[in-house]
Amino acid sequence: DIQMTQSPSSLSASVGDRITITCRASQSISTYLNWYQQKPGKAPNLLIHSASYLQSGVPSRFSGSGSGTDFTLTISSLQPEDFATYYCQQSYGAGAFGQGTKLDI
Amino acid sequence: EVQMVQSGAEVKKPGESLKISCKASGYSFTNYWIGWVRQMPVKGLEWMGIIYPFDSDTKYNPSLQGQVTISADKSISTAYLQWSGLKASDTAIYYCAAGQSMYYFDYWGQGTLVTVSS
Repeated sequence: DIQMTQSPSSLSASVGDRITITCRASQSISTYLNWYQQKPGKAPNLLIHSASYLQSGVPSRFSGSGSGTDFTLTISSLQPEDFATYYCQQSYGAGAFGQGTKLDI
Repeated sequence: EVQMVQSGAEVKKPGESLKISCKASGYSFTNYWIGWVRQMPVKGLEWMGIIYPFDSDTKYNPSLQGQVTISADKSISTAYLQWSGLKASDTAIYYCAAGQSMYYFDYWGQGTLVTVSS
């Protein structure tokens, strides 16, 4: 099984900050990597697919990069609505998610 | 507008069977993959499996294979997740989600809370 490890597991930041979340796969997954945002009590929301493709309707302050085993999600200038939990997900094998990164103020 | 509407919360006893549903609308049901994702209490997300309703091609998380069954009824644009013998560890919120690609989910249901307790 392919394991996904996110870091950090939690992150405190302020409005306007630039932040980066990292996701590492236990083996190469090419660019089969997606990022989701989840707010409390809500379903996840797709932000980035295929490592770097911004989902339609997602603000351009979100970006993704990486290939192989190392990936990053960057939010260029945090907005109040961005405080949430972020998950990476590999879609190379059985679709495993990372453990999540909780972003709070 | 794409909508994924899931069935309501369930409370079951260990050993009981259960089938929860996810009704899709606003897109061509047979041409999107539908998957199920589990979220245990205060935990992360777990990919359970996906189905392509056009031909019922189904893929499961190997760690869950044999414990659940994913199916779909094209005639009513509805996908299902079922158990034949629930365990307390099945207590979780279950989300259905759909995507044109089998590799990621564009649209999500609201979630179904399943509680298994004696």
